[in-house]
Amino acid sequence: DGGITQSPKYLFRKEGQNVTLSCEQNLNHDAMYWYRQDPGQGLRLIYYSQIVNDFQKGDIAEGYSVSREKKESFPLTVTSAQKNPTAFYLCASSIGGRGNQPQHFGDGTRLSIL
Amino acid sequence: GQQVMQIPQYQHVQEGEDFTTYCNSSTTLSNIQWYKQRPGGHPVFLIQLVKSGEVKKQKRLTFQFGEAKKNSSLHITATQTTDVGTYFCAAFSGAGSYQLTFGKGTKLSVIP
Repeated sequence: DGGITQSPKYLFRKEGQNVTLSCEQNLNHDAMYWYRQDPGQGLRLIYYSQIVNDFQKGDIAEGYSVSREKKESFPLTVTSAQKNPTAFYLCASSIGGRGNQPQHFGDGTRLSIL
Repeated sequence: GQQVMQIPQYQHVQEGEDFTTYCNSSTTLSNIQWYKQRPGGHPVFLIQLVKSGEVKKQKRLTFQFGEAKKNSSLHITATQTTDVGTYFCAAFSGAGSYQLTFGKGTKLSVIP
């Protein structure tokens, strides 16, 4: 059964700590994305990757980092430089990297500050 | 960058009433997509509109793309409690861009 798996479902970060959110897909999609969702703000793009070993900043990349070493995996690190990390983080993938393909989303990770 | 305005932000309807959400862009779009996010869930792709003036239907849902390809609407006829959720439009300008720009969504509540 193909899909996108995000883990953990809930994550707590201490001050000054980096945390990494996992995103794995078995849809054989080339493109992957990370979005941040805040109440009333819709989805804002953090980073996206059109192909393995390549990624670009989205609209709100500051304080975040990513890697794309494998086609199936696109982990997101929330660094201590991100001062307001509390949000719902969604990973998505699509067949192609342009915006004319439907995106498939994982169940998300809720990150909170301790 | 690309901006997409979606209205209304919230809509409360009595079950059986109709519902419409509107999406407007300041620039001409290559295509627009619509997603639904149930409470506590993740966005799920509903449909993509590509052609000027295009109208697509999915059971009680009707999607339209404006003639100028700058606006779109989603209309639900005779809402049901299963329609509850947030509906997002997502725009693609196609002009050297590789990303979708999401509207802020319309949160639909249906009163039984």
